[in-house]
Amino acid sequence: EVQLVQSGAGVKKPGESLKISCKGSGYSFTNYWINWVRQVPGRGLEWMGRIDPRDSYISYSPSFQGHVTISLDKSITTAYLQWSSLRASDAAMYYCTRMGREYTSSFGFHDYWGQGTLVTVSS
Amino acid sequence: SYVLTQPPSVSVAPGKTARITCGGNNIGSKSVHWYQQKPGQAPVLLIYYDNGRPSGIPERISGSNSGNTATLTISRVGAGDEADYYCQVWDSVTEHVVFGGGTKLTVL
Repeated sequence: EVQLVQSGAGVKKPGESLKISCKGSGYSFTNYWINWVRQVPGRGLEWMGRIDPRDSYISYSPSFQGHVTISLDKSITTAYLQWSSLRASDAAMYYCTRMGREYTSSFGFHDYWGQGTLVTVSS
Repeated sequence: SYVLTQPPSVSVAPGKTARITCGGNNIGSKSVHWYQQKPGQAPVLLIYYDNGRPSGIPERISGSNSGNTATLTISRVGAGDEADYYCQVWDSVTEHVVFGGGTKLTVL
């Protein structure tokens, strides 16, 4: 069974750092990209970026470039999203998703989603 | 960058057909994917490649895509279909994912 299991909710103060995780299991981890998607409460879905576990190539949305870092540890089939200095506006639910790489039958769409990690930023 | 436009809300009576649109410049040349999100839950893939249904998605849910509009159609709507619906494409120019703003479906 394919699963993406995310780390638990985090409560931080503005300016603090945070790293959340997403562990993939039940499939060949290197055959699928991992994406991160933000959802501010009451708002829509925003794509943040993706990472290719095969070569660690990363692509960021211009809206998030420079403010977050996407990474992974292939040995434990886990992807990460981290902030070095949180802002109040980072408070949101964050989802990791799986997407097939180009030229595969599951390219271009998110076929599995993690359960979400709620990030609260408050002084 | 590529923009997808959805109506903020759609209302439909029980048992009727709901149609949710997703507008984009020449969207018919792209593959459109749809997701359903119920309150407090993660989104779920409903339709891929315009009209493909993942395992477990009923046949009363279908998709189409032509010209500047893609459409998600839900037949015989019931209370369990109340949710937010999002369209999504892959922008091959930027190699980025693009989501529509989402549509809230209300069953009257």
